[in-house]
Parts: sequence; structure tokens; C-alpha cells
Amino acid sequence: EVQLLESGGDLVQPGGSLRLSCAASGFTFGSCAMSWVRQAPGKGLEWVSGISGSGGSIYYADSVKGRFTVSRDNSKNTLYLQMNSLRAEDTAMYYCAKDMFNIGPDFDYWGQGTLVTVSS
Amino acid sequence: QSVLTQPPSASGTPGQRVTISCSGSSSNIGTNYVYWYQKFPGTAPKLLIYRSDQRPSGVPDRFSGSKSGTSASLAISGLRSEDEADYYCAAWDDSRSGVVFGGGAHLTVL
Repeated sequence: EVQLLESGGDLVQPGGSLRLSCAASGFTFGSCAMSWVRQAPGKGLEWVSGISGSGGSIYYADSVKGRFTVSRDNSKNTLYLQMNSLRAEDTAMYYCAKDMFNIGPDFDYWGQGTLVTVSS
Repeated sequence: QSVLTQPPSASGTPGQRVTISCSGSSSNIGTNYVYWYQKFPGTAPKLLIYRSDQRPSGVPDRFSGSKSGTSASLAISGLRSEDEADYYCAAWDDSRSGVVFGGGAHLTVL
């Protein structure tokens, strides 16, 4: 059974940093592209970043480029999102999602999400 | 302002057929597949349609997707009360080198 378990969400002050993790199981993690998708309170879904199975291809939404860094440790079956220079508008539920094929909106499995709140 | 345009809401009565549209451009829907997600409050999104018109196993055949040019549609036939949810379209955007979502459409079953 495929499982994705996010962790690391917290209350952080503007300008602060946070690292999210997504522990994966039930599939060959290193063979699958992964993405982070967020949903701000009362808003729609927003793709944040995607990374290929090998980690060789990485993409970011313009809204987080230069502030967020996605990475993965295939030996630990874990996806990460390092979030720096956080802003109030980064407040959201963050989901990790497994891609069916390549990096793209073909997310067949999702985690339950981890909440990030940016506020003073 | 979302890159993909969806109506904010849709509605229908039980048993009816409803469609939700998704409009994009040549850099996303015009050249790439469209995906549809169903989302209930407090839960993770669920993939309903992939590669524009394919259903994952376990998704009822009441749900169908289509694409024409730079637009796509999700159709739900035999509407049920449990279909009341938010529906999002998504596609890869070549100009942005990233995934773009529609703003979401809230479906109300009257």
C-alpha cells in the first residue's frame, strides 16, 4: 500500500525557515517523480515544486523560486522541502504527491498534508 | 488569478449530468494532457481523470474527461449527493516549466 506521510509543519515568523519531510512507502520511491502542492486557507490548489526520481530534474513555481529548495534522499525514501524567507502568503497546507509518470500534474497518491503557518 | 480558468461553481440535481469547464492556452492545455481532481474539505485531493480522458482504477465511469483545443471538460453523470466537492483541473505549462491548476469549481448537488 502506497503511503506518504508529511511532517515538519509549524508556526514560524515571517522571514523564518522550515523544512518539510515526506516519508514514502509501498512503492519504488527512487523510480518516481514527486511534487509538493499547497492550499492556502480558503484558496485553491497551487503546485509548488517537482523533482524527478533521480533528483536530476527540478522545477519550481515562480512564487517560491529562490526561496524554496526541493530535494530527496532515495536511500531513506524521503522527500524534502526547505523553505526559507517565509512570507505570510506561504501559509498553507502542504501536500506531497507521487507522480504517475513524469513531473507533472499526474498525482495518483497524496499525503494527508502538513500545516505551515507564517505569522508574527 | 489562476492560469487555467474554471467556473467558481456548478450545480445539479441527483441523477442529472453536469459538466465543468477548464480553459487554458496553447502552452498548457493546447499541447499537454489535462488532469482532474476531486477534493473534499480537510482531505487530500483525489485523481479523477488523467491524460485528459483516462480514469484511474476505482473511479466510477460516471466521471469522464475530454479535451478540445485549449479547453477541457469534466462530466459527471448520474449525479449523487456524495459528488458535492471541489473539482480542479491541472496541466503542465511549457512556458512556465511547471504545473498550473484551475481555480477550482465547487459542485453543489441540490
